[in-house]
Amino acid sequence: QQPVQSPQAVILREGEDAVINCSSSKALYSVHWYRQKHGEAPVFLMILLKGGEQKGHDKISASFNEKKQQSSLYLTASQLSYSGTYFCGTEGGSQGNLIFGKGTKLSVKP
Amino acid sequence: DAGVIQSPRHEVTEMGQEVTLRCKPISGHNSLFWYRQTMMRGLELLIYFNNNVPIDDSGMPEDRFSAKMPNASFSTLKIQPSEPRDSAVYFCASSFSRINEKLFFGSGTQLSVL
Repeated sequence: QQPVQSPQAVILREGEDAVINCSSSKALYSVHWYRQKHGEAPVFLMILLKGGEQKGHDKISASFNEKKQQSSLYLTASQLSYSGTYFCGTEGGSQGNLIFGKGTKLSVKP
Repeated sequence: DAGVIQSPRHEVTEMGQEVTLRCKPISGHNSLFWYRQTMMRGLELLIYFNNNVPIDDSGMPEDRFSAKMPNASFSTLKIQPSEPRDSAVYFCASSFSRINEKLFFGSGTQLSVL
């Protein structure tokens, strides 16, 4: 079951904040976040393994609400380099297959 | 480490031809994934191997698609016969273990079927 991401696209000015949401209709074992720049492969950002877990790297962080089957990615004080498409990926069982949402396109303008 | 290596980077072929995409995962990784990316559908999981064994092939669109992993360092995705609707970017990714490990993606193969 493909997770649902929102919004589909967002445009920011440098320094502004953004939140990208990811939700699933199935129970989740873990949530992955990846960023893909145009013409490149997706690159891993972080993985959340437990309900309630929060992680951060630089000014990008994420949370995982296991009960609500949701995860959110927070980008604060955005930089031009944050531009790209963000994908959440969910593992719904012990099989280990990772299913991605359709992505959220983030554009940061000067 | 060289990362996940895919070949070719670009493939242009005519409808009806056989297409073979190749992937070399990172040494020591025992899970390998094939994804297809299009604007309409995003990143679709086609098939997933663990220790060279196909675990989930439910994403393979139809019998025209087949994938093999004869050993830990090589996998192929074959389309026979190819159709224009198969045009997409095909990514291979590998990870260290079966679950809860990050994926490393190859650079992808841009396939165009005319």
